[in-house]
Amino acid sequence: KQEVTQIPAALSVPEGENLVLNCSFTDSAIYNLQWFRQDPGKGLTSLLLIQSSQREQTSGRLNASLDKSSGRSTLYIAASQPGDSATYLCAVYKAAGNKLTFGGGTRVLVKP
Amino acid sequence: SAVISQKPSRDICQRGTSLTIQCQVDSQVTMMFWYRQQPGQSLTLIATANQGSEATYESGFVIDKFPISRPNLTFSTLTVSNMSPEDSSIYLCSVRDFEAFFGQGTRLTVV
Repeated sequence: KQEVTQIPAALSVPEGENLVLNCSFTDSAIYNLQWFRQDPGKGLTSLLLIQSSQREQTSGRLNASLDKSSGRSTLYIAASQPGDSATYLCAVYKAAGNKLTFGGGTRVLVKP
Repeated sequence: SAVISQKPSRDICQRGTSLTIQCQVDSQVTMMFWYRQQPGQSLTLIATANQGSEATYESGFVIDKFPISRPNLTFSTLTVSNMSPEDSSIYLCSVRDFEAFFGQGTRLTVV
C-alpha cells in the first residue's frame, strides 16, 4: 500500500527566505506526482505535475524535483512572500486512472 | 485544464438532515472523484463516479450514507445523509485527465 509522508508538518519563515518542502512515498512505481496548494477552508489548486520520467518541473518561483528511486520529491519556493502562506500537499498516482494518494500536507506561514 | 464549479461553498446543517453537493465541470470527463477532508487532516477518497454506472466506494464509505449521482459527463452530486457532527468536513470533487483538478470545496458544519 502506497504511503505518502510530508515533513515538516508546519513551517514558519520570514519573507524573502526560500522554502523547501519535502514529500516521500513508499512505492517507487508511480505514474505521476502532483503538488497542490490549499488555502484555509478551500479547495486544491494544482501547482506542478511531474511525470515519472522527469526529474524536475519549474513554474515561476516554484521548482519541484523527483527522485523515484529514493521515493522523494521536493518543492522549492524561491523568495517567499506572505501570499505563499497556505498548506502544500503532494499526491502520487500509481498508474493512469488509479486514485491519488495524498500526503498529510505542510502548513506554511510566511511572516512579513 | 478543467474548471470545476462546486456548490454550496459552505453550509451549516442540523443533525439528522441531508445535504446534496453539486459539481459541474466545463468539459466532458469519464471519471469524477469525491473526497472528504476532516478538520486538520489530508484528503480521503470517498468514491469514484462513472457516468452510466454505479459509483465505486472506498473502504469505510457506503452508498446509503453518501449516495452519488452521475447523470452526464459534466455533472455529479454527492449527498451526505442523516448527518451527525462527525460529518463536519470539507467535501471536494475532482476530475483527472492527465492532471488532477479540484473544485473549491464545500465546507460542511453539522450542529
